[in-house]
Amino acid sequence: GEDVEQSLFLSVREGDSSVINCTYTDSSSTYLYWYKQEPGAGLQLLTYIFSNMDMKQDQRLTVLLNKKDKHLSLRIADTQTGDSAIYFCAGFGGSARQLTFGSGTQLTVLP
Amino acid sequence: DSGVTQTPKHLITATGQRVTLRCSPRSGDLSVYWYQQSLDQGLQFLIQYYNGEERAKGNILERFSAQQFPDLHSELNLSSLELGDSALYFCASSRTPQETQYFGPGTRLLVL
Repeated sequence: GEDVEQSLFLSVREGDSSVINCTYTDSSSTYLYWYKQEPGAGLQLLTYIFSNMDMKQDQRLTVLLNKKDKHLSLRIADTQTGDSAIYFCAGFGGSARQLTFGSGTQLTVLP
Repeated sequence: DSGVTQTPKHLITATGQRVTLRCSPRSGDLSVYWYQQSLDQGLQFLIQYYNGEERAKGNILERFSAQQFPDLHSELNLSSLELGDSALYFCASSRTPQETQYFGPGTRLLVL
C-alpha cells in the first residue's frame, strides 16, 4: 500500500516562511492533502492538490507537487505563532482507495 | 468547525469493557470513516461506510466493529478493551468516497 513520510519536527522564527516536506510512494494517488492538528483538537483540512497539478496557492499557503520524485511540500508564508501545530500530509487514491497519512510534522514557531 | 460531530469527547473505562463511539457526518455527506490516532501507530484508517454499507476496511481489529444507520450517523463499537486501545478516535465524512474528508473533533479513549 501507500507509504507517506514526513520529517518529525520543524522550528521557524515568527515572520519567516515554513516549508514542510512529504514523500509518498503510490504514484497513482489522485489527491494529496494537508491537514493541521492543534493540541487536543481534530484534524483541520488546510488544502489539497489534485495529482495533475504542480502548484496550488491559497492565501499564505503554497503547495508544490513534484510527481516525478513523488514529493509534496507545504509552504506557509509569514509564519505566525498560531501556526504552531502538527501538519499531516495524506494521499488518497490508487490501489488503497483510502486516505493514508504521514506521521505528521510538529511545527514550532518561535517569537 | 467541520460540521462533523462526535460524542463523547472523552471516555475513561476499564480493561475488558465495551464502549460505543458515535459520529454524525456533515449534512449531505454519505460516506463515514473511522480512524485511530495513537502515539506509536500514528493515524490509522479503520473502516469506511458509504450510504449504510461497508466500503473499505483498514487496520481494524476483530474486537472492533462499526455500522452506519439509515440516518447516516455511525457508531464504532470497541469491545474487550485493552490498555493499548487507549487512543484518539476520529470520524470523518465526505459526500462520496472519492471526495475530500472532513474530520470531527475526536473521542479520547483512556483504558485503565
